[in-house]
Amino acid sequence: AQSVSQHNHHVILSEAASLELGCNYSYGGTVNLFWYVQYPGQHLQLLLKYFSGDPLVKGIKGFEAEFIKSKFSFNLRKPSVQWSDTAEYFCAVNADNAGNMLTFGGGTRLMVKP
Amino acid sequence: EAGVAQSPRYKIIEKRQSVAFWCNPISGHATLYWYQQILGQGPKLLIQFQNNGVVDDSQLPKDRFSAERLKGVDSTLKIQPAKLEDSAVYLCASMRTANTEAFFGQGTRLTVV
Repeated sequence: AQSVSQHNHHVILSEAASLELGCNYSYGGTVNLFWYVQYPGQHLQLLLKYFSGDPLVKGIKGFEAEFIKSKFSFNLRKPSVQWSDTAEYFCAVNADNAGNMLTFGGGTRLMVKP
Repeated sequence: EAGVAQSPRYKIIEKRQSVAFWCNPISGHATLYWYQQILGQGPKLLIQFQNNGVVDDSQLPKDRFSAERLKGVDSTLKIQPAKLEDSAVYLCASMRTANTEAFFGQGTRLTVV
């Protein structure tokens, strides 16, 4: 069965600091990878996605993620965070032969101090 | 396009009572998911439909939870009887086809007292 691990449960940063959130998955086949964000009081929204091609993908609001197949990782990065990035971030994986099942990690709660 | 609609937004019930949640996915989306998100955790898949057929319900507590998606559009998730540990946000999501993104509704926050 596929699983997703997010290493950091809580992250606190000051504005303008750089961000990297870890995500590892366990599945040996072809995967689609996602980062979703949940702002306080709002529903889950897609931040970025990887299906194929360039392993470095860019999403909304200056976020990017790099797919490293050999490490089963899909880490999320942002060079300079803003207070408005305070939210919970979820990594998710969808495997090619798992019937379109979408599995989420436990999430990382990010707080950005102004 | 309209998003995924869920109702109610909030529900408070006593343990051993029954409750039902409703989801209207985005038009044309064949795949529909129900997730349970307990406070401080990631969404846990309960059941996945492809049109009106069940693809995966391995994590659905079938002694108390049931779900259906008649006509391959709207879906309902029911809990009967509810337990304290069912307190969570229940999320509905839909996906048009494989290799696309899933869209989420606002969720229903259930509190069992």
